[in-house]
Amino acid sequence: DAKTTQPNSMESNEEEPVHLPCNHSTISGTDYIHWYRQLPSQGPEYVIHGLTSNVNNRMASLAIAEDRKSSTLILHRATLRDAAVYYCILRDENSGYALNFGKGTSLLVTP
Amino acid sequence: NAGVTQTPKFQVLKTGQSMTLQCAQDMNHEYMSWYRQDPGMGLRLIHYSVGAGITDQGEVPNGYNVSRSTTEDFPLRLLSAAPSQTSVYFCASSRGQNNSPLHFGNGTRLTVT
Repeated sequence: DAKTTQPNSMESNEEEPVHLPCNHSTISGTDYIHWYRQLPSQGPEYVIHGLTSNVNNRMASLAIAEDRKSSTLILHRATLRDAAVYYCILRDENSGYALNFGKGTSLLVTP
Repeated sequence: NAGVTQTPKFQVLKTGQSMTLQCAQDMNHEYMSWYRQDPGMGLRLIHYSVGAGITDQGEVPNGYNVSRSTTEDFPLRLLSAAPSQTSVYFCASSRGQNNSPLHFGNGTRLTVT
């Protein structure tokens, strides 16, 4: 399975943009890039996903490198409620759906 | 509009006891999976299923059994609980396509003494 690498932790000030990086140098052509986040004491929740083009939704934006070997989740204005662990995973039908999340990036947002 | 429902929310077992963690989804999703999360750790895949009658092992399957007799349900069985299985367990489901998001339950917190 293609793997992802994320920093263990990041810190941001409230109301500033946050760029959360993810490296996936062994990504295959059919892998979708998914991002999830997990708030304290809750189950993970879906944030955004993409294949090749940049994507926007009400929660965040996903910027995908042209060679697809890395991606960045962008929170445009961080709030205290965005403090969570963010997971970047690759999803490919050919991998048999063995989706391993890893440790993700713990985002701290300070007032 | 229940989504993914996990029961129970909390459970305490003694070593050697057995139990089943229940997971049900009402979205007609083909894919279902079980994860465990230990303190300060990420999610580790235990077992998953791509449809009724089909299951496969994930990263940490030892000590757990699963079956998928219906599309809606994917129970996780602990045959002989061990303290090492103390963890928070999450069930997830999605449509089969790789561009479909995963939907997670709220988790079951299991303590084995």
